[in-house]
Amino acid sequence: EAGVAQSPRYKIIEKRQSVAFWCNPISGHATLYWYQQILGQGPKLLIQFQNNGVVDDSQLPKDRFSAERLKGVDSTLKIQPAKLEDSAVYLCASSFGGPGTGELFFGEGSRLTVL
Amino acid sequence: AQSVAQPEDQVNVAEGNPLTVKCTYSVSGNPYLFWYVQYPNRGLQFLLKYITGDNLVKGSYGFEAEFNKSQTSFHLKKPSALVSDSALYFCAVRAASGTYKYIFGTGTRLKVLA
Repeated sequence: EAGVAQSPRYKIIEKRQSVAFWCNPISGHATLYWYQQILGQGPKLLIQFQNNGVVDDSQLPKDRFSAERLKGVDSTLKIQPAKLEDSAVYLCASSFGGPGTGELFFGEGSRLTVL
Repeated sequence: AQSVAQPEDQVNVAEGNPLTVKCTYSVSGNPYLFWYVQYPNRGLQFLLKYITGDNLVKGSYGFEAEFNKSQTSFHLKKPSALVSDSALYFCAVRAASGTYKYIFGTGTRLKVLA
């Protein structure tokens, strides 16, 4: 079974530039999550999708971050314009979702460095 | 509101000795509890979970965890540590109802010394 795919693995940009990350979840997983993991900290939920609808985006900095999940499959997370404090690993995860008891399956992450 | 606390930033243990990584949680209603491990430059990998039933759950690589409802704890344990267990460990909690949001702790770095 293919795992959660993310790209790019690494990205270096200057502040005020834009960047986009892509995620393809495990086939059949209805719920998709984007987490931000700053060095030395635990993953922080940015946005949670159930199929192609947003369930929770309360911690997404909406003035600069946006995310979409077209057709309820793959997803894109965009940052525009980037700030120095956005340097982090962006983790995508998926699960069967809903009231199920399943664990999250994570991708390898996309490491962003903002100079 | 849901929260998870991992009180130790780092745990050092000698190879062959038992290890414990601590986790306490706060959630409304029944909790679903998880442990994940993260190796350098990798995503998080699932180790084990508690949903209901027996308070002692067994998972991958010889790890187990004990759910204690009265102490709201879910400590990760292993009877005999290996050097290869050295990694970053995260505890996570999810409420049994609601938005099914998974909240992670800050992580504990486990160092197993040869």
